Amino acid sequence: QVQLKESGPGLVQPSQTLSLTCTVSGFSLMDYSVHWVRQPPGKGLEWMGRMKYDGDTYYNSALKSRLSISRDTSKSQVFLKMNSLQTEDTAIYYCTRDPNYGTFYFDYWGQGVMVTVSS
Amino acid sequence: DIQMTQSPASLSASLGETVTIECLASEDIYSNLAWYQQKPGKSPQLLIYYANSLNDGVPSRFSGSGSGTQYSLKINSLQSEDVSIYFCQQNYDSPYTFGAGTKLELK
Repeated sequence: QVQLKESGPGLVQPSQTLSLTCTVSGFSLMDYSVHWVRQPPGKGLEWMGRMKYDGDTYYNSALKSRLSISRDTSKSQVFLKMNSLQTEDTAIYYCTRDPNYGTFYFDYWGQGVMVTVSS
Repeated sequence: DIQMTQSPASLSASLGETVTIECLASEDIYSNLAWYQQKPGKSPQLLIYYANSLNDGVPSRFSGSGSGTQYSLKINSLQSEDVSIYFCQQNYDSPYTFGAGTKLELK
């Protein structure tokens, strides 16, 4: 069955870089796009960016200068790196699957990983 | 950016009741709208896509409608397991924005 699982540090210091991994199973990264979406505690959802099935990337313009998404198809992993973290980046970070070619809605979600930005 | 305005922000209803949640886009999104359900402490789950298509496994008491800038999610015969926060999301144009959510509680 389709599964996505996020992993990474729970605590990051301000101004540092966040590195997260999304490990997928039940589908191929060469057939489906994977997106990152985040949710500050008690708040709404923000789309961050996408790793397309062909390896192309696409970012939210508000985060583009700080964000990088990459992948390792042999390991079924998608990576998120975001630099210059601030307290407002404290959130649950989800990786999600796009069910079709460039539809930009999300049919499967990981469990999420809570990231706290604090010294 | 396309703004998504959901109403109401919170809603209290009784078991068996029918509830409707609205989502207003700041511009025409041509039915590129999805609805998600998020239960406490869980990840969001896709309910509806392209405004009115029911995702696999979603109970038929959920339905979506709308066009242009105005969309709605309807839940018939409310069940206890429907207590959740509901989000709309436009997938028409980047950045792909979400509504602020509607918290549904039992009366």
